[in-house]
Formats: sequence, C-alpha cells, structure tokens
Amino acid sequence: GENVEQHPSTLSVQEGDSAVIKCTYSDSASNYFPWYKQELGKRPQLIIDIRSNVGEKKDQRIAVTLNKTAKHFSLHITETQPEDSAVYFCAAKGRGGADGLTFGKGTHLIIQP
Amino acid sequence: DTAVSQTPKYLVTQMGNDKSIKCEQNLGHDTMYWYKQDSKKFLKIMFSYNNKELIINETVPNRFSPKSPDKAHLNLHINSLELGDSAVYFCASSLGGAIEQFFGPGTRLTVL
Repeated sequence: GENVEQHPSTLSVQEGDSAVIKCTYSDSASNYFPWYKQELGKRPQLIIDIRSNVGEKKDQRIAVTLNKTAKHFSLHITETQPEDSAVYFCAAKGRGGADGLTFGKGTHLIIQP
Repeated sequence: DTAVSQTPKYLVTQMGNDKSIKCEQNLGHDTMYWYKQDSKKFLKIMFSYNNKELIINETVPNRFSPKSPDKAHLNLHINSLELGDSAVYFCASSLGGAIEQFFGPGTRLTVL
C-alpha cells in the first residue's frame, strides 16, 4: 500500500518568513495530493491540493509543487502570519474510486512573533 | 447547515462495551470514509465506502464495522472496546475520487 513520509515534524519560523514542508510517497499510481491544516481540537481543513497532471499550484500565500518522477511534493507558505500556526498534513490518494487518503505524520508549524 | 456531522462529539465508555458513532453528510457525496487519529495525531484511514465497494484497511480489527443505511450515512460500530481504541474518529465524504474530502468535526472516544 501507499506510504507517505513527511518532514520536518516541527518547524519554527519567524513571522513574515517562509515555511516549507516536504513529503514523499511510495505508490506511483497515486494521483491526488492534498494538504490539510488542523488547528487544536478542530477537524482537518483542506488548504490546497494538486493532481498528478500538474507540477505546481498557487493560492495567494500558499503553493504546492509536485515532482512525479521523484515522488515528492512540497507545501510552501510565504509571509507567514500567527494564524498559520497549526499542524499540517500531506496526503496521497490512489486511483481507486473509494480509496482513502494516506496521510503523512504531520508537521507542527510554529510562527514566532 | 453542517456539511458532515458526527454524533456524539464525546464518548466515554468502559472496556468491553459496544458503541456506535454516527456520521451524516448532506453534500450529495457518494463516498464516505472513517479515519482514526491517535494521541500522536497520526491520521489513518480505516474504511472507505461507496455504493459499489467497501475498502477495509487491513490493520483495522474486525471489532470495527461500518454500516451504511443509505448514501448519506456511514456509521461506525465498535465491539468489545479496548483501551487502545481511545482516539478521535473522523468521518469524511467526497464526490468520487481525486477530489476534496470534507471532514466531520470528530468524535473523541475514551475507553476506561
């Protein structure tokens, strides 16, 4: 089955700086790669996603890149703000219609004022 | 109006009991899921279900069983609860594959 590795487990950056979180996946058949943000005690919320036919996607301060050959994808957050502090999860989904998401172990992003 | 809802929000019970968690979605989605988030925040798929197939993660004990009375509901039944079952359980839904999964608010299960 799919295996997703995520690094780092904790990331502390100064407010206004950029943050980068990296993930690798094992199953070349996976074709959908979402990123979720989870605040303490809340549900995971999708912040951005990318499909295997796209190399990069951007939404305001957030961008995701995908390298299918190397089987890795990354989340980039620019101009970080205190409200960006949360746990971020990458995930991968296989081609099956009912396949669930395989998640990375999460990155605790801390924005230092 | 809530897109994906779960009840109860909190569930505290004794070892050995049988319990159920309910999930409902009003999005018209055709695929529903159950995820388990343990104390280390690891999120793991337990079940995926649409009207054609049930996919079970092979690591899930057979004490856990999903039941879907209709397309809008996927309930989770747990028999003979164990201490290690304590976790937050999230229901999610999507329309087909390769598309956003919407998560419910979670049910925090504590087994004493």
